[in-house]
Amino acid sequence: DAGITQSPRHKVTETGTPVTLRCHQTENHRYMYWYRQDPGHGLRLIHYSYGVKDTDKGEVSDGYSVSRSKTEDFLLTLESATSSQTSVYFCAISESGREGETQYFGPGTRLLVL
Amino acid sequence: GESVGLHLPTLSVQEGDNSIINCAYSNSASDYFIWYKQESGKGPQFIIDIRSNMDKRQGQRVTVLLNKTVKHLSLQIAATQPGDSAVYFCAGLSSGTYKYIFGTGTRLKVLA
Repeated sequence: DAGITQSPRHKVTETGTPVTLRCHQTENHRYMYWYRQDPGHGLRLIHYSYGVKDTDKGEVSDGYSVSRSKTEDFLLTLESATSSQTSVYFCAISESGREGETQYFGPGTRLLVL
Repeated sequence: GESVGLHLPTLSVQEGDNSIINCAYSNSASDYFIWYKQESGKGPQFIIDIRSNMDKRQGQRVTVLLNKTVKHLSLQIAATQPGDSAVYFCAGLSSGTYKYIFGTGTRLKVLA
């Protein structure tokens, strides 16, 4: 398995509070991604990074911000959590982001916003 | 817009039988596709991929078929085993970007 860890694995928080999820990789891959997974939807891209300090928005980026100060860490912040952000969040990595190169996924973080 | 979707939310198969899971994609979707397996409580796991210049690709007990005419791909699992029980979904790489589009998934249940 690719060396990807996510923390925390489970979190319960209240509406309006900030939340930060961490993704850590030991593969030295350039590309990192944050997705959310909800019933009835496929995985949806929130943000991705193509290098240290280089990030871009995905299809569902509103209410989320990211930071990547080191190759191995990609942080996802919910600036003011809402109930609609209750979801399972997955981090993924890929070596160079090119076609033909698969993404490897972390174990996920289950977030409940009350 | 771009979309990738799966046909059935649940598929039940007798142990030992072959399973076929389907996926359709839209006009502007990618030229490269991946099938993932996701077990309960875990992240998606790569199974097999296929490029648009191929019609078929085989792995260990799995085969992916791509029909570009009707924009359809399928995952075939031979001699389905209890360990194959999971959600399976396809993903297409959005043309010209690094962004994958994921289908909603089919839950495969293997009956003993």
